[in-house]
Amino acid sequence: GGIITQTPKFLIGQEGQKLTLKCQQNFNHDTMYWYRQDSGKGLRLIYYSITENDLQKGDLSEGYDASREKKSSFSLTVTSAQKNEMAVFLCASSMFNSGNTLYFGEGSRLIVV
Amino acid sequence: AQSVTQPDARVTVSEGASLQLRCKYSYSATPYLFWYVQYPRQGLQLLLKYYSGDPVVQGVNSFEAEFSKSNSSFHLQKASVHWSDSAVYFCALSMFYNQGKLIFGQGTKLSIKP
Repeated sequence: GGIITQTPKFLIGQEGQKLTLKCQQNFNHDTMYWYRQDSGKGLRLIYYSITENDLQKGDLSEGYDASREKKSSFSLTVTSAQKNEMAVFLCASSMFNSGNTLYFGEGSRLIVV
Repeated sequence: AQSVTQPDARVTVSEGASLQLRCKYSYSATPYLFWYVQYPRQGLQLLLKYYSGDPVVQGVNSFEAEFSKSNSSFHLQKASVHWSDSAVYFCALSMFYNQGKLIFGQGTKLSIKP
């Protein structure tokens, strides 16, 4: 088995601040994802990466940057935190040709004060 | 545009009763369909998935789902629920086999009455 570790669990920042979430996986999966979860709105894809140094925009990429430094890690940066984007951010990974079976981390909650 | 709709934001059933959580999708071709479950303070876990073939798919913990192309639906069912089934359930759709660009529904929060 494997695990996806997201840090920090809670990220508190001020409006306008640049904030970074980190995700590590030891499944040796090719593809990694960042989803945003808002209450009552399901999950929306921010960025994904099919291999090291690859980045693909999702439906919600504006206001975010991402970085896939190595196969096992995928970072997400909120470029200028706003109070209306307080949400839970979920990292996930999948093996290529696995039929879209995603494995999720426990989430990181963003709080903007 | 492709979409997934879960019409029930909250469902409450008694322990031991049967359950159906509804999911409708919008996509012109045959989609790949999934049900995920999220327990409190945890990430999502895959319950089951449909790619092709038998429209009834079995998943973990005795859950099953039935794909209906004519109704554009993929409803989740369980014959007898347990208190530990309390969670949020998400239906999701993918247009591709190899890209995890899943489109999620809004989720249905399931509560079990003792």
